[in-house]
Amino acid sequence: DADVTQTPRNRITKTGKRIMLECSQTKGHDRMYWYRQDPGLGLRLIYYSFDVKDINKGEISDGYSVSRQAQAKFSLSLESAIPNQTALYFCATQQGDQETQYFGPGTRLLVL
Amino acid sequence: SQQGEEDPQALSIQEGENATMNCSYKTSINNLQWYRQNSGRGLVHLILIRSNEREKHSGRLRVTLDTSKKSSSLLITASRAADTASYFCAPLTGANSKLTFGKGITLSVRP
Repeated sequence: DADVTQTPRNRITKTGKRIMLECSQTKGHDRMYWYRQDPGLGLRLIYYSFDVKDINKGEISDGYSVSRQAQAKFSLSLESAIPNQTALYFCATQQGDQETQYFGPGTRLLVL
Repeated sequence: SQQGEEDPQALSIQEGENATMNCSYKTSINNLQWYRQNSGRGLVHLILIRSNEREKHSGRLRVTLDTSKKSSSLLITASRAADTASYFCAPLTGANSKLTFGKGITLSVRP
């Protein structure tokens, strides 16, 4: 079984809808991250969490919110989806500062 | 946090050749990480090299770090078609700094 899972893997939604992307990990890591990737570009950080009670904004948090329900779960919500949020979304985990990050398989989101 | 700048943006080589990819950064780092991304997939960590290390090997991968030039290189020897992917470097600075990814290097290995 994969250590970092994301659901759904693909999602098509309409402008204005609220959607949630979920991330679960079995690695026992304390840190979790949400990124988005647009075609031909690198990853940009949306939100990150160093533990269950810690939530921090990344460089592009507007239009997004997150919830760290447990150490193993970190969800990303789009409150009112818009077409320019069409992208590939990745969750990642990390154990401790300065260490390797482990990425999920990604969620491909299309907002019509 | 700082972003690494990868060079070249794209590289096309024949199977069996070596691939050299470069990364430059601007400020002092604690470590630098290289990741690979196959098309549409999540990033996979390749190597982490710390600021007090100059060279590190992992299988066919060799990473060097020159802190005086603020640069790192990733060498893939005897490349294979399966090495076709995008490669990203991510320098890390102080405590709790975040990985920041550039546009990456698109490597194509022709069979």
